[in-house]
Amino acid sequence: EDQVTQSPEALRLQEGESSSLNCSYTVSGLRGLFWYRQDPGKGPEFLFTLYSAGEEKEKERLKATLTKKESFLHITAPKPEDSATYLCAVQASSRLTFGEGTQLTVNP
Amino acid sequence: DAGITQSPRHKVTETGTPVTLRCHQTENHRYMYWYRQDPGHGLRLIHYSYGVKDTDKGEVSDGYSVSRSKTEDFLLTLESATSSQTSVYFCAISRDASYGIRTDTQYFGPGTRLTVL
Repeated sequence: EDQVTQSPEALRLQEGESSSLNCSYTVSGLRGLFWYRQDPGKGPEFLFTLYSAGEEKEKERLKATLTKKESFLHITAPKPEDSATYLCAVQASSRLTFGEGTQLTVNP
Repeated sequence: DAGITQSPRHKVTETGTPVTLRCHQTENHRYMYWYRQDPGHGLRLIHYSYGVKDTDKGEVSDGYSVSRSKTEDFLLTLESATSSQTSVYFCAISRDASYGIRTDTQYFGPGTRLTVL
């Protein structure tokens, strides 16, 4: 059974304080790992797809990396508008398995 | 923006009543999905569709049925709603690449908050 564990559950940062979110996974035959951002009351918004260990992708202050067992979402010099819940998902078959998310709060 | 709308956005209903949620897409992609999101469980797949009249079950399909009579619409029905089906429901699509091959990234709609009293 595919499993995804995200840590920490919640993270508070000061504006400009860089940090990382973790997504550990157990899957047989990874086809892709996905990062989403979700704001309260809204649907998940796609950020990145990573397909193989060693791959990295960047978008503004966010950088996602992938190893054979986990993925990190690095947030550099975050701003209050980066506050959201960040979701990780893995795909081995035709379905996505989601983690429960990390709730990020960035204080000004 | 993947052109996905969901209706209604909010609904309160009573136990035992039937409920139908609608997902509409404007881009005519083959693959559509229904998820529910609950605290402590994350997003879980209910049903999905890979074309008109082609559907399959997800991990939490008990108590739910789906229909897809047109490419653009995917309906989720709770035949007899229960309090355990109180949740936020999301529809998603996978964009078709060339030659109708599905790409893996899923794009989500805004969600429907359903409360069953």
